[in-house]
Amino acid sequence: DSGVTQTPKHLITATGQRVTLRCSPRSGDLSVYWYQQSLDQGLQFLIQYYNGEERAKGNILERFSAQQFPDLHSELNLSSLELGDSALYFCASSVRDYQETQYFGPGTRLLVL
Amino acid sequence: AQTVTQSQPEMSVQEAETVTLSCTYDTSESDYYLFWYKQPPSRQMILVIRQEAYKQQNATENRFSVNFQKAAKSFSLKISDSQLGDAAMYFCAYRSASSGAQKLVFGQGTRLTINP
Repeated sequence: DSGVTQTPKHLITATGQRVTLRCSPRSGDLSVYWYQQSLDQGLQFLIQYYNGEERAKGNILERFSAQQFPDLHSELNLSSLELGDSALYFCASSVRDYQETQYFGPGTRLLVL
Repeated sequence: AQTVTQSQPEMSVQEAETVTLSCTYDTSESDYYLFWYKQPPSRQMILVIRQEAYKQQNATENRFSVNFQKAAKSFSLKISDSQLGDAAMYFCAYRSASSGAQKLVFGQGTRLTINP
């Protein structure tokens, strides 16, 4: 157990819908990262937050957004969902925002029908 | 942009034997970090081992060790005394040491099968 928690574990929804994925980092970790794992794209970095502020953006679609709250948990919002958004979404955390190992949560498996 | 390549989509090994998984990467940076993550059927991403580019000594963690060749941009993972629980997807990952680039860049993964 990495200490990073993610809810829900599984999510099934329909195209056009909106969902929110939640992540709680390890105790003491200030940085949160979101990754998407899909069959065709592999593991890709989406976005990073550090102590409530956006720090880096990767291949995140405009339909996706995220935020980190004062208690350091983070939420990834996915809207206008498409079939291709079906994937495993990981949250990872680290103590600081650089030179630190990232520890991954168990992931949220999203299926868009 | 940095890229990571794992040229072996699948590997298999007999239980108790040794296996080496290959990884190469491309970067123009001199300071960075390399990682191997394991993803068992549960899909959890588990850190196996980490290597700092400025360290010449290869990292080891129990039965897991790496062969880090900085000039060749190669970072292979050796698993000794393979166990059934080692069966998983293994991902090699790169991370810049630059404060502005904290993301992990992953290879496509190698599926490791352990034969009893």
